[in-house]
Amino acid sequence: EAQVTQNPRYLITVTGKKLTVTCSQNMNHEYMSWYRQDPGLGLRQIYYSMNVEVTDKGDVPEGYKVSRKEKRNFPLILESPSPNQTSLYFCASSPSPGQGARTGELFFGEGSRLTVL
Amino acid sequence: QKEVEQDPGPLSVPEGAIVSLNCTYSNSAFQYFMWYRQYSRKGPELLMYTYSSGNKEDGRFTAQVDKSSKYISLFIRDSQPSDSATYLCAKPPRGGYNKLIFGAGTRLAVHP
Repeated sequence: EAQVTQNPRYLITVTGKKLTVTCSQNMNHEYMSWYRQDPGLGLRQIYYSMNVEVTDKGDVPEGYKVSRKEKRNFPLILESPSPNQTSLYFCASSPSPGQGARTGELFFGEGSRLTVL
Repeated sequence: QKEVEQDPGPLSVPEGAIVSLNCTYSNSAFQYFMWYRQYSRKGPELLMYTYSSGNKEDGRFTAQVDKSSKYISLFIRDSQPSDSATYLCAKPPRGGYNKLIFGAGTRLAVHP
């Protein structure tokens, strides 16, 4: 089954304790991205990657890191989480136009709800 | 001003009603718009997309763009309880086809 898999789905942690949210897709997509979703603010892009070893900042990158060592994986790293990073996080992937993408179609994971105390 | 603005609702309607969901946008320099649907505890999924001219129909769903008023609308005919979800409009910024800008989403509840 074609899917984007995120782990963990739920996490409660404390300020300053490093954590990683993993994301993996099995669709051979070149593009991957992380969003956070907050009430009233909608989905905001954190980081994105056009391909392996190519990453770039989105609209709200502060406090986050990413890496793209393999095509299928795009982990999100919070080196020193703070309470304002409490949010619902989504990983998404998309084929490039050359891979037959429907314009603007992102495939999302089921989300990871993070609470930082 | 946000590039895409959307009334968060919630919107509650009886089964069978016609639903109108709306977004406004501030930058007209792009070609198309999208509607995503997000069920509770799930990720968004693409519902429809439409180019910035006229309507697009898909079953009970119609997406409409009014360029003069910078309005994007999604109409749902004969709404069903299974349509209960959050609906997000989205557009790509200039130069980034898959770097989407989302509205805040409108939560819709269709009750039997």
